[in-house]
Amino acid sequence: AQSVAQPEDQVNVAEGNPLTVKCTYSVSGNPYLFWYVQYPNRGLQFLLKYITGDNLVKGSYGFEAEFNKSQTSFHLKKPSALVSDSALYFCAVRDEGDDKIIFGKGTRLHILP
Amino acid sequence: KAGVTQTPRYLIKTRGQQVTLSCSPISGHRSVSWYQQTPGQGLQFLFEYFSETQRNKGNFPGRFSGRQFSNSRSEMNVSTLELGDSALYLCASSPGQGARVTIYFGEGSWLTVV
Repeated sequence: AQSVAQPEDQVNVAEGNPLTVKCTYSVSGNPYLFWYVQYPNRGLQFLLKYITGDNLVKGSYGFEAEFNKSQTSFHLKKPSALVSDSALYFCAVRDEGDDKIIFGKGTRLHILP
Repeated sequence: KAGVTQTPRYLIKTRGQQVTLSCSPISGHRSVSWYQQTPGQGLQFLFEYFSETQRNKGNFPGRFSGRQFSNSRSEMNVSTLELGDSALYLCASSPGQGARVTIYFGEGSWLTVV
């Protein structure tokens, strides 16, 4: 069965510094990986996904994520954090053999002014 | 293009009552899925519908049910509400089926059971 882990409940970063939100996964087949962001009292917004091809995926709002097959990771990154990036971030995985999407517990990102 | 629309946005129900939540997917999307979000359990998959047929179901009791109409709109129903059913219920839609497809979420329906 597939699973996804976000090892950090909270990440604090100073504005202007680079940020990383970690995600590791486990699937039996080919992984399809997604990042979503949730602002307070809102639904989830799609940021980016990895399906196949280039391991570095670029998404919305300047975010990118790097797929690392050997480390089974899909960390979310941004070169320069903004206060407005403060939100709850979810990593998710789907397995080709099982369409169910599994979400991580979420990581709360605080960007400090 | 309008996004996923969920109604109502907020509601309060009494334990033992039942509730129906509605979801209108993005125009052209035929797959609709539902999720429960709570602080303790995170995001949990409830069920998925495609062309009026339930394709997948999560590990929830039979009190949780859903359906999809011919226009792709979907409803979920929770009967005999319990305090633990208080949660944000999220609906999502996608243009088709398959693990590669991106799902897009609505703003959610906040359910409080008292």
